[in-house]
Amino acid sequence: QQQVKQSPQSLIVQKGGISIINCAYENTAFDYFPWYQQFPGKGPALLIAIRPDVSEKKEGRFTISFNKSAKQFSLHIMDSQPGDSATYFCAGPVTGTASKLTFGTGTRLQVTL
Amino acid sequence: DADVTQTPRNRITKTGKRIMLECSQTKGHDRMYWYRQDPGLGLRLIYYSFDVKDINKGEISDGYSVSRQAQAKFSLSLESAIPNQTALYFCATEGAQTDTQYFGPGTRLTVL
Repeated sequence: QQQVKQSPQSLIVQKGGISIINCAYENTAFDYFPWYQQFPGKGPALLIAIRPDVSEKKEGRFTISFNKSAKQFSLHIMDSQPGDSATYFCAGPVTGTASKLTFGTGTRLQVTL
Repeated sequence: DADVTQTPRNRITKTGKRIMLECSQTKGHDRMYWYRQDPGLGLRLIYYSFDVKDINKGEISDGYSVSRQAQAKFSLSLESAIPNQTALYFCATEGAQTDTQYFGPGTRLTVL
């Protein structure tokens, strides 16, 4: 059972464009929503995370938008660059704690010139 | 990130063989995890340990076992490898005071 559903599976965006990746979750006890970024040949690394007490968090070109009523959160990459080409995973804590995450299936982003 | 290391990085083995994947960390974290990554399935939790005396099954533990030899070491074993265990395996660590998991570089395992 997939507790976090991620879309799209793959995404191609032109340089300078906006990349948007969406996640929907089922467990209303989730209280932490991270996004991980994985480059080819590397392990995933935390990119940005949000807690449900705020609706948006921005770090540089990366923004998480959180919609508690819809049980959705999304990652927006503004001014997308070729260096952003990677696989992105959303996640949520399995039992309401941040220590055991369930991951989405991943979105492979390609930013073209 | 050299703080979390995995050995071997690549391994090809045959069906029925016993395989051990090792993970070491220098971050001083108590919590350690083993995941497998398959195309289209994302990262799935195999086992996790919150301290040396604590071992817990994840969502896909069948066919796997683990050993937490020390705070810094967490090993994953495939007792009798089968082809559908061909995957990319990641170890991760997490400190008690942080929500961030730090992943190793991964082990690519192929079972023929």
